[in-house]
Amino acid sequence: NAGVTQTPKFRILKIGQSMTLQCTQDMNHNYMYWYRQDPGMGLKLIYYSVGAGITDKGEVPNGYNVSRSTTEDFPLRLELAAPSQTSVYFCASSYESGGHGYTFGSGTRLTVV
Amino acid sequence: KNQVEQSPQSLIILEGKNCTLQCNYTVSPFSNLRWYKQDTGRGPVSLTIMTFSENTKSNGRYTATLDADTKQSSLHITASQLSDSASYICVVTPNTGTASKLTFGTGTRLQVTL
Repeated sequence: NAGVTQTPKFRILKIGQSMTLQCTQDMNHNYMYWYRQDPGMGLKLIYYSVGAGITDKGEVPNGYNVSRSTTEDFPLRLELAAPSQTSVYFCASSYESGGHGYTFGSGTRLTVV
Repeated sequence: KNQVEQSPQSLIILEGKNCTLQCNYTVSPFSNLRWYKQDTGRGPVSLTIMTFSENTKSNGRYTATLDADTKQSSLHITASQLSDSASYICVVTPNTGTASKLTFGTGTRLQVTL
């Protein structure tokens, strides 16, 4: 049981490049989330999904896109990377809407130069 | 706007000592309050979760308390160890029951030294 797995762990992008952050979970959780964590700030929700085929914007969705074709996978896409997207990104999943069993991945540290 | 404020921002203590971290929140009504531990370079890991009706919850040397009337929570660490060095994050879920509305505090960075 691996929990929530994120890849890559580190990445450096040039301005304007695109990339996909991968997230997969093996706990059969319906709910999945993407957060970003900036220094000195609380985690901010980018996008979330309540099940396969359903996604919704969070607090800071601009510049990102997501898809949820399967229960297990929830990739985050950056189309035109900007320095403001330099951050640590965390994927999380939970069993129910109340957040019980909330589990985080180990994070992806992204630097845009 | 729902807010979660934590204090102190950072704390240094000697190994073996106790410490208490504070969390004040404005989220109301709320469903549950959690404390997470986040090691450097890792994702947050849940320590405790309390519903609005619970006053205290323990997990080994970690004890969380909750006063729903004053909207305050604390995390007490007993007999600290070097491995307790981490950031501790307070998270509140509103009573909408929607996990997407979790409000995260900015965390307290704890350093335990010899």
